[in-house]
Amino acid sequence: DGGITQSPKYLFRKEGQNVTLSCEQNLNHDAMYWYRQDPGQGLRLIYYSQIVNDFQKGDIAEGYSVSREKKESFPLTVTSAQKNPTAFYLCASSIGSDPFYEQYFGPGTRLTVT
Amino acid sequence: AQSVAQPEDQVNVAEGNPLTVKCTYSVSGNPYLFWYVQYPNRGLQFLLKYITGDNLVKGSYGFEAEFNKSQTSFHLKKPSALVSDSALYFCAVRDQGGYQKVTFGTGTKLQVIP
Repeated sequence: DGGITQSPKYLFRKEGQNVTLSCEQNLNHDAMYWYRQDPGQGLRLIYYSQIVNDFQKGDIAEGYSVSREKKESFPLTVTSAQKNPTAFYLCASSIGSDPFYEQYFGPGTRLTVT
Repeated sequence: AQSVAQPEDQVNVAEGNPLTVKCTYSVSGNPYLFWYVQYPNRGLQFLLKYITGDNLVKGSYGFEAEFNKSQTSFHLKKPSALVSDSALYFCAVRDQGGYQKVTFGTGTKLQVIP
């Protein structure tokens, strides 16, 4: 089965702790993305990567970090510097970074920080 | 800057009736336009896209969308709604000029009433 997996589905953390969200794809896609979804705000881009060992900040990168050491994997770390980390996080990939490619999304991770 | 607007937070339609979910966009150049659907607590699924050519685009699950350049719109339509179509629908735009970021609308909740 080809697709994108995100784990865990639900994640609970205490304030002040860093947490890493996993994203793996077996679609052989070059580009990968992380979005944050909040009610009534649509999706906001956190980071994206067009190719291995390269990534760029999106609109709301502050308090987040990523790595892209392997083509299949694009983990997102939510650091303690993120002021309001509770949200639904979505990972996506596309065949390439050209703008006409559609994105394929994982099932998401719901992060709750208390 | 590019933007996309979904003017209706929610659309209610009776099962068997035609449905329309509205989307308008703004880009500096020519647009690539996308529709995605999201079921509760799931990732987004790609429905269809407009790249160039025929203004009427057909996609998955019987959905179609019409690109109207003069009205800068890309409304999603289906001739006969199913209860299973009830979900959150997102319109998205990317500028053909090569800017990599995709901008998503805030989403429209479609409720199909049996």
